[in-house]
Amino acid sequence: GESVGLHLPTLSVQEGDNSIINCAYSNSASDYFIWYKQESGKGPQFIIDIRSNMDKRQGQRVTVLLNKTVKHLSLQIAATQPGDSAVYFCAENRPGGYQKVTFGIGTKLQVIP
Amino acid sequence: EAGVVQSPRYKIIEKKQPVAFWCNPISGHNTLYWYRQNLGQGPELLIRYENEEAVDDSQLPKDRFSAERLKGVDSTLKIQPAELGDSAVYLCASSPSAAGEGYNEQFFGPGTRLTVL
Repeated sequence: GESVGLHLPTLSVQEGDNSIINCAYSNSASDYFIWYKQESGKGPQFIIDIRSNMDKRQGQRVTVLLNKTVKHLSLQIAATQPGDSAVYFCAENRPGGYQKVTFGIGTKLQVIP
Repeated sequence: EAGVVQSPRYKIIEKKQPVAFWCNPISGHNTLYWYRQNLGQGPELLIRYENEEAVDDSQLPKDRFSAERLKGVDSTLKIQPAELGDSAVYLCASSPSAAGEGYNEQFFGPGTRLTVL
């Protein structure tokens, strides 16, 4: 079946460096994508989203890139900080107002002080 | 502003026992979701409510799982009887409304970690 997945399960980054977390999706009909951050013992927290009619969106220290040609999504975190250590999930939303979000497996980001 | 509240935070039970989880969504949020999250995986939707109506329960194992949101606010999720494979974190989320086009940000609670022995 169609699914959302991640390339790397664990990513270790030196504090101050930039982080790039990747995600592959296979549902070409999805029109909305979201990145969530989940810290230990907490629920997922919304980071940034992007609609399928865009290829880039920037937030505070985070940028999401969408490549619909190869069905690839990435999250870039600038100047990674220890507080960024968490599991990051990409998620896709089906079109037509149907609010069903499908989550990927997750990537664990470890920031090395 | 208070976030999504869930209780209990942790629950340990023996298999075949019943268990219930409670969720209080953010005030004014009409849409409520229950997810199950297995270790190392992303959350999987179990059921979605629009006010008191369950509009998507296709992923809810109805032989042992049940949920209710009687007054369109708080919700409970029940498992009876629990099985070993039910061990997971059960997350509740809410959003303003799922009506119409577009996506509304979901706000998640901290979850209930269930361990079935």
